[in-house]
This record gives sequence, C-alpha cells and structure tokens, in this order.
Amino acid sequence: GAVVSQHPSWVICKSGTSVKIECRSLDFQATTMFWYRQFPKQSLMLMATSNEGSKATYEQGVEKDKFLINHASLTLSTLTVTSAHPEDSSFYICSARDRDRGDEQFFGPGTRLTVL
Amino acid sequence: TQLLEQSPQFLSIQEGENLTVYCNSSSVFSSLQWYRQEPGEGPVLLVTVVTGGEVKKLKRLTFQFGDARKDSSLHITAAQPGDTGLYLCAGARSGNTPLVFGKGTRLSVIA
Repeated sequence: GAVVSQHPSWVICKSGTSVKIECRSLDFQATTMFWYRQFPKQSLMLMATSNEGSKATYEQGVEKDKFLINHASLTLSTLTVTSAHPEDSSFYICSARDRDRGDEQFFGPGTRLTVL
Repeated sequence: TQLLEQSPQFLSIQEGENLTVYCNSSSVFSSLQWYRQEPGEGPVLLVTVVTGGEVKKLKRLTFQFGDARKDSSLHITAAQPGDTGLYLCAGARSGNTPLVFGKGTRLSVIA
C-alpha cells in the first residue's frame, strides 16, 4: 500500500511553454500533498504544500504564478510550470500524506524536466 | 538554519564494513523518518520512529530515536553494494506541517 505515481516521468520542452506534472495517490486518500525540487546530488527542497480543496502554501522564494499547484481531489495534485525557462530544469518530486497514517509521507518516482 | 543536521554527507566504504549515519537537531520531533533514494527515483520510506529511545531493525539496518526525540541514527551492518544510495532523515513536527529534511548522506559501498 501507499503508492504514489507521477506522470510524466520525464519531459523535454521548449523555453516559454508550460508543462503539467501529475501526482496521484493510488491506494490511499491524501489530504495533503507536497511538491519538492531536487538539484543534482542535493537533498529535497520543499516548494509548496497542497491541501485538497484549498490554495497551496508556497515556500519563501517560490513563485506561485510560475509554479501553479492544484489539488482538486483526495488522490490528485498537479504542478504546472508556466513559461518554462532552462533554469527550471530539475527533478520534481511529489509526496502524499496518508491521513490514516499520521506523519508518514510517501513519495512519487519523480519527474525529470529539461527545458531547452 | 538547517534544523536537521545529518552527518556524514558522504561516505565511501568497502563491502562488509559497518557504518553509522547521524541526524541531529535542537528541536523535538513527533516522529522521525528515514528514506533511501537511488538516482533518478523518488525517496523510499525505510522506517518511522515515534517513541523516544525506540530502536527498530530492518534486516541489517538498525534505527534509533533519541530519548529526547531530537536525534536519530541509522546503523548498517556488513554493508553491501546494494546499500549504495542517498539516505535522508526527515523529522515531523506537530500539526499538518511538512517534514524537515536533513541534507542527506550519500553512501557508496564498493565491492
């Protein structure tokens, strides 16, 4: 149990386009999902916390108009990188908190975004 | 300020050796989780420790939560090349708040 999927697993896009990444909890309901960004050989950097049915809470320094987050249901959150630039290239990972399992977070496999 | 100090950052050892990774904080956590991440993949939850002084074993891995719930350690016995990866500790605070992550320990076990 506690499986989280992400789609796509990798994407290459041109500068200026928008990219949507989906995060789904497959076998549990996630009232809260988190979006992270990870640079090579570094730890996870929290971008935002997403609660089902409400606006996401963004970490300091993360542009909410650039990284749009929607958490429309208890099993799906999306991250849209708008007007992507090469510096947005990174590994994006989501995680979901199972409301029946307390503090534990379960991570998706990540999405590798490359902006040309 | 890094709330969770993880050490060492890098560790390269021979197969069969033992090692310990530490996670320290001045803050109290309601629970602490250890994850392992391989390149190009998401972190995988290894264990959650909740009670001060708790010890959990997962095959050759032993996890301990400090009595005051401010620190934790991961001990690997007889490391194998398959243990290679990035080990992350993460502390949970009360309420529906995000986990606080350490910077990670990159372990390389050489055959």
